[in-house]
Amino acid sequence: NAGVTQTPKFRILKIGQSMTLQCTQDMNHNYMYWYRQDPGMGLKLIYYSVGAGITDKGEVPNGYNVSRSTTEDFPLRLELAAPSQTSVYFCASSRNLDAEAFFGQGTRLTVV
Amino acid sequence: TQLLEQSPQFLSIQEGENLTVYCNSSSVFSSLQWYRQEPGEGPVLLVTVVTGGEVKKLKRLTFQFGDARKDSSLHITAAQPGDTGLYLCAGPFYNQGGKLIFGQGTELSVKP
Repeated sequence: NAGVTQTPKFRILKIGQSMTLQCTQDMNHNYMYWYRQDPGMGLKLIYYSVGAGITDKGEVPNGYNVSRSTTEDFPLRLELAAPSQTSVYFCASSRNLDAEAFFGQGTRLTVV
Repeated sequence: TQLLEQSPQFLSIQEGENLTVYCNSSSVFSSLQWYRQEPGEGPVLLVTVVTGGEVKKLKRLTFQFGDARKDSSLHITAAQPGDTGLYLCAGPFYNQGGKLIFGQGTELSVKP
């Protein structure tokens, strides 16, 4: 059972570079989320989607962009990487808002 | 402004002690979820509480949902080193477009 798959697991970016964090789920979930987690802290919501073609900003959207062209995929784009974006990024999906959220393994991103 | 306030943020106790973690909000929730996260992994769901006043037990863990459905608590009896980890509460915010928001987390360390 694949669940939620994120790639890459680790990445080092230089300031100003761009990258896309990939996320795919095979559970046919409508809801998908991107969170960032700083050391010893909880999860901050970056962007979320309630279905294909629909995305919305979370608590900390600045510097990021998303798209949701299919139910399965929810990529997160960083356009101009900044040191403040150094963090661990988690993608998650759920059947609905009250249902269990399933998480990927995370992407550890360092911007230098 | 933190939509879900968790306390305490850090807890270091000896094996065998009891502890309680709190999750509070000014909003009413249809449900609240508790997750546990180990280093290098994504959060994993422990329990979902859905009815005001509900109490759920998971071995030595007891979860309670407040009567007004604005708060929840997690009580661990006779903590063991294997309970060490980050505990997170999460709640759905339907009136803000439908997003799942997490508290700041409680970092628990149980020493043998």
